Amino acid sequence: GQNIDQPTEMTATEGAIVQINCTYQTSGFNGLFWYQQHAGEAPTFLSYNVLDGLEEKGRFSSFLSRSKGYSYLLLKELQMKDSASYLCAHASGGSYIPTFGRGTSLIVHP
Amino acid sequence: DTGVSQDPRHKITKRGQNVTFRCDPISEHNRLYWYRQTLGQGPEFLTYFQNEAQLEKSRLLSDRFSAERPKGSFSTLEIQRTEQGDSAMYLCASSSRGAGANVLTFGAGSRLTVL
Repeated sequence: GQNIDQPTEMTATEGAIVQINCTYQTSGFNGLFWYQQHAGEAPTFLSYNVLDGLEEKGRFSSFLSRSKGYSYLLLKELQMKDSASYLCAHASGGSYIPTFGRGTSLIVHP
Repeated sequence: DTGVSQDPRHKITKRGQNVTFRCDPISEHNRLYWYRQTLGQGPEFLTYFQNEAQLEKSRLLSDRFSAERPKGSFSTLEIQRTEQGDSAMYLCASSSRGAGANVLTFGAGSRLTVL
């Protein structure tokens, strides 16, 4: 994930809103993914953006700006169970293989 | 379907030994991926199969690593002459590329510790 940049760690309060940013550089862009990974578990798919704009899915929303190479994941009404690592990944090239960033560790406290 | 299964979940070995991991993908998925993840890092791509064909392999992948998917179903990842730097979680994922996003479903991983 050398060409994907996201913050290493963020903290937030239960019930609040948090925005996790991701910037990327790639050629042949084929979409931007967000995955959630709880400690010791496998990553699970959250969202996919291929066009510019905001995609909303319940408490989670994801935004993409292709011209800026920028995405964010917005988490609303934070719950303790949202404490996890959030992985930004882009797919590029003909094989659509996701390349992951190092992840942002989100800590939600009471 | 029980999802993507990986075996063993944990493996401790001595430096220089060979290890093999197995992955059983979701049955209808024709694409299979191997990634490696170390603490505090995101998954790092190793190799990719479409059916039984190995179509991509990371340039970072040492020749001590080899993967197979002989019948286009399960896959194995073998590491020969293990080194301490091979200690990591080895994640397998599968997908079915159709219209829309190539969403990967990951297995729980095989954690390797090389002493």
